[in-house]
Amino acid sequence: KQEVTQIPAALSVPEGENLVLNCSFTDSAIYNLQWFRQDPGKGLTSLLLIQSSQREQTSGRLNASLDKSSGRSTLYIAASQPGDSATYLCAVRHNNNDMRFGAGTRLTVKP
Amino acid sequence: EADIYQTPRYLVIGTGKKITLECSQTMGHDKMYWYQQDPGMELHLIHYSYGVNSTEKGDLSSESTVSRIRTEHFPLTLESARPSHTSQYLCASSGLGYEQYFGPGTRLTVT
Repeated sequence: KQEVTQIPAALSVPEGENLVLNCSFTDSAIYNLQWFRQDPGKGLTSLLLIQSSQREQTSGRLNASLDKSSGRSTLYIAASQPGDSATYLCAVRHNNNDMRFGAGTRLTVKP
Repeated sequence: EADIYQTPRYLVIGTGKKITLECSQTMGHDKMYWYQQDPGMELHLIHYSYGVNSTEKGDLSSESTVSRIRTEHFPLTLESARPSHTSQYLCASSGLGYEQYFGPGTRLTVT
C-alpha cells in the first residue's frame, strides 16, 4: 500500500527566504505526482503536476522535482512571501484510480 | 469559466437528518471524486466515478452514497447523519491527464 510522508509537518520562515518542502512515497511505480496548496477551510489548488516520465516542473517561483527511484519529490519556493502561507500537500497517483495524499506541510512566511 | 462548485459551503444539521452535498463541474471532465478530510489530516477517498452511471467506493468506509446521472453532477447523500460524519467534504474532477481540480469544500457539522 502506497504511503506518502511530508516532512516537516510545519515550517516558519522569514519573508524572502528560499525554501524546500519534502514529499516521500514508498511505491515508486507511480503514474504522476501532484502538488497542491490549501488555505484554511478551503479546497485544494493545484500547483504543479509531474508525470512519471518527467524530472521537474516549474511555475513562476515554484519548482517541483521528482526522483522516482528514491521515492522523493521536492517543492522549491523561491523568494517566499507572506501570501505563500498555507498548507502544501503532495499526492501520488499509483494507478488510474488510486491517489494517495500526504498530511501536508503547514508553511508560515513572516513579514 | 470552467470550475468546480460545491453547495452548501457550510452545513450544521441534527442527528438523523438526510442530507445531500452537491458538486458540479463545468470543466468537461469525465472523472469525479469525493474526499473526506479532518482538520490537519490527509484526504481520504470515499467515492469516485469514471463517467455517467459509474460509481465506486474508495478506501475509506463511508455510509454515504453517490450518483452520476449527468457528467457534470456528482451529489453525495447521507441518509441519516451522525456526529461521526462531522468533517470537511471535498469534491474533485479530472480529465485525460488525471490532474485533479478541487471544489471549495463543504464543512459539515452534525449535532
